[in-house]
Amino acid sequence: DQQVKQNSPSLSVQEGRISILNCDYTNSMFDYFLWYKKYPAEGPTFLISISSIKDKNEDGRFTVFLNKSAKHLSLHIVPSQPGDSAVYFCAASEAGAGSYQLTFGKGTKLSVIP
Amino acid sequence: DSGVTQTPKHLITATGQRVTLRCSPRSGDLSVYWYQQSLDQGLQFLIQYYNGEERAKGNILERFSAQQFPDLHSELNLSSLELGDSALYFCASSDPWGDTQYFGPGTRLTVL
Repeated sequence: DQQVKQNSPSLSVQEGRISILNCDYTNSMFDYFLWYKKYPAEGPTFLISISSIKDKNEDGRFTVFLNKSAKHLSLHIVPSQPGDSAVYFCAASEAGAGSYQLTFGKGTKLSVIP
Repeated sequence: DSGVTQTPKHLITATGQRVTLRCSPRSGDLSVYWYQQSLDQGLQFLIQYYNGEERAKGNILERFSAQQFPDLHSELNLSSLELGDSALYFCASSDPWGDTQYFGPGTRLTVL
């Protein structure tokens, strides 16, 4: 039972355009969401997060949107750069459970074409 | 560099053997989490320790165990290894507020 789903295994975007990565979740108890970026042979790197009390969080070129009613979040990268090419993981946690253990999606591989 | 260190980077061993993976959290972080990333399963939570005590358990096999020491470093012990245990094992740590985890570079375990 996959509680966090990233339905697009891959995405290609031209340099300078917007990249939109999507994530759906099924567990309504999740209240904190994060995006991680991962290069081959490295650990996941934290990018941006959002609490369930917000619907948008912005950090530089990265913006995360949360739609609680649809149980959907998205990561927007504007403008996309070749260095953004990596695998992006969506993750969720249920902070109220006393542990911030993360449930991950399977990732979307983003390729930014120069 | 996240500040989380893991050793060794690579480990090759045989079925039936036992290995120990080590993790040092970021300075000041009390929580350590272990995750397994296999090809077909993605990143899966194994276990969490907070200040030396087990806090949460995920899909961790009985052949696996972990502990966190007084200096807050953690070890993940994998025994009676099987081919299917071949995976990347990541450690993450978080500050006392706990909501963001920072990951180490991982240990790649290959069981032959």
